[in-house]
Amino acid sequence: RKEVEQDPGPFNVPEGATVAFNCTYSNSASQSFFWYRQDCRKEPKLLMSVYSSGNEDGRFTAQLNRASQYISLLIRDSKLSDSATYLCVGRGSNYKLTFGKGTLLTVNP
Amino acid sequence: NAGVTQTPKFQVLKTGQSMTLQCAQDMNHEYMSWYRQDPGMGLRLIHYSVGAGITDQGEVPNGYNVSRSTTEDFPLRLLSAAPSQTSVYFCASSYAGGAGTEAFFGQGTRLTVV
Repeated sequence: RKEVEQDPGPFNVPEGATVAFNCTYSNSASQSFFWYRQDCRKEPKLLMSVYSSGNEDGRFTAQLNRASQYISLLIRDSKLSDSATYLCVGRGSNYKLTFGKGTLLTVNP
Repeated sequence: NAGVTQTPKFQVLKTGQSMTLQCAQDMNHEYMSWYRQDPGMGLRLIHYSVGAGITDQGEVPNGYNVSRSTTEDFPLRLLSAAPSQTSVYFCASSYAGGAGTEAFFGQGTRLTVV
């Protein structure tokens, strides 16, 4: 079983929709979690870190549930510019990042 | 501030050729790593380093070598290229400490082995 598993997608949503991505992890030693965004043929870039208390950045809300080993990302009021692949990432005590396979989001006009 | 610089951006190799993918960062990051990204597979860790003189294997190290003689540079060597190594390669760096430390990626190298 892969250490980080994501919804396979793809997600196709209209502008203005709310979309949620889910991710589970199997390695309880993972210390930190992140959501990265990757545009087509570009490098991944950090979208936001994920904390147990939940954190929000504008239209984006991330949540970590350590008991369930579950991570989520909610995007409200989707924009065309949100179209990208979203990567769920875990980081262990040895600093190694483990990536999920990514979920492709397309926001349609 | 250049961040993480990878060269070349594109490369075509013949089977059996060797080459080195260059990666340099100017942020004084201790941790550097190499990933390959293939369709449907996500990013997989090849090798990583937690500081100059220290390297270790990741998930898919076979066919690749690395060295870390300086904090700034972390080259990836393909010893004898194979078609299975056709992929997009990303170098990344980050500070070693801190729970929420962000990793910065280079722009990637698109390698085709024919």
